[in-house]
Amino acid sequence: DVVMTQSPLSLSVTLGQPASISCTSSHSLVHSDGNTWLRWFQQRPGQSPRRLIYKVSNRDSGVPDRFSGSGSGTNFTLKISRVEAEDVGVYYCMQGTHWPPWTFGQGTKVEIK
Amino acid sequence: EVQLVESGGGLVQPGESLTLSCAASGFTFNIYWMHWVRQAPGKGLVWVSYINHDGSSISYADSVKGRFTISRDNAKNMVYLQMNSLRVEDTAVYYCVHDLDHWGQGTLVTVSS
Repeated sequence: DVVMTQSPLSLSVTLGQPASISCTSSHSLVHSDGNTWLRWFQQRPGQSPRRLIYKVSNRDSGVPDRFSGSGSGTNFTLKISRVEAEDVGVYYCMQGTHWPPWTFGQGTKVEIK
Repeated sequence: EVQLVESGGGLVQPGESLTLSCAASGFTFNIYWMHWVRQAPGKGLVWVSYINHDGSSISYADSVKGRFTISRDNAKNMVYLQMNSLRVEDTAVYYCVHDLDHWGQGTLVTVSS
């Protein structure tokens, strides 16, 4: 199984400041079809997860442009350019290249300092 | 708008069974894969099972293989998760997930004596 490792596991950020979350996979996530099936999800307190980013860097409809995804192979990053209060929650990366199983990172909790 | 409504959760004793249902709407149900993902209290996301668009391909996490059965009824836009021989460690919120993109609100399963 592909192991997804996120760091840090917790992040305290001042409003308006940037935040960055790293996600490393145990195997390259480049699929034989040429795509890299790496997603990012946001889970706000008390809510269901919501997809933010798909295929490494594609933002979902309605996701603010302060969120961006990057990376390749085994190393990926989610960046928030200027953290807002509504960004509080837990962020998960997930791989869909080598399945089953589909695997998630442990989650990174983002809070406001 | 994609809508997924789970039902069927509740409190059961170890060894008992429960069937979760997920009513889907807002998309062409019979062309999409569906998944169940669970989240134990205070923990991260764990993929449980998937079923392809016509039910001809199914997979399970090792932790539930042989105990859980996923199925779907394309005529009713429904997906199910039959859970047998439930264990305390199966306690979690179970999410129905469309193509690993859109998530339902979840249903809580508590296994306790």
